[in-house]
Amino acid sequence: SQTIHQWPATLVQPVGSPLSLECTVEGTSNPNLYWYRQAAGRGLQLLFYSVGIGQISSEVPQNLSASRPQDRQFILSSKKLLLSDSGFYLCACRSRDRDTGELFFGEGSRLTVL
Amino acid sequence: GQNIDQPTEMTATEGAIVQINCTYQTSGFNGLFWYQQHAGEAPTFLSYNVLDGLEEKGRFSSFLSRSKGYSYLLLKELQMKDSASYLCAVMDSNYQLIWGAGTKLIIKP
Repeated sequence: SQTIHQWPATLVQPVGSPLSLECTVEGTSNPNLYWYRQAAGRGLQLLFYSVGIGQISSEVPQNLSASRPQDRQFILSSKKLLLSDSGFYLCACRSRDRDTGELFFGEGSRLTVL
Repeated sequence: GQNIDQPTEMTATEGAIVQINCTYQTSGFNGLFWYQQHAGEAPTFLSYNVLDGLEEKGRFSSFLSRSKGYSYLLLKELQMKDSASYLCAVMDSNYQLIWGAGTKLIIKP
């Protein structure tokens, strides 16, 4: 079965500082990978998704970027954080082997920008 | 536009039954998912419906009516640990998930 590791779990960053969140997947090959953000009491907002190495689709224009340097590695970055970037960030994976296509999520990273 | 509607919050009593509704309007339909999310944690998969009818998994059941754009999640024999948010999501024609805002379920003793 697939597992998703995401880190760091919690971080507090000043406005204008850089960001790097990392996600790795085990137990599946060539998965679809996703970065979501969840604001307090809100639904999941899709930020980026990737169907393969180097292939990134952006859903929302913002100061964030994503990269997929390896098949099972997905990175979310920012050069300069804004206050509005605070939230709960979730990496998710969908295996191509499963008919139902459900997403599996990493543990999440809670970002507070001060 | 695409839209998923579910109640913001519901309250139920331990040992009782609760039904959480979800209505959707999406461009295409390739399945409906229910996820459970405890506070501060990631969502976990509960159920998947792609055909009309009821899918049962232990204390949890999920129903789908594609013609009505409607689903519900039924939780029986409620336990305190069922206190969580329940997220409804629909996979559209592009195989992307459209998410509802979630229903916060509060269980009282």
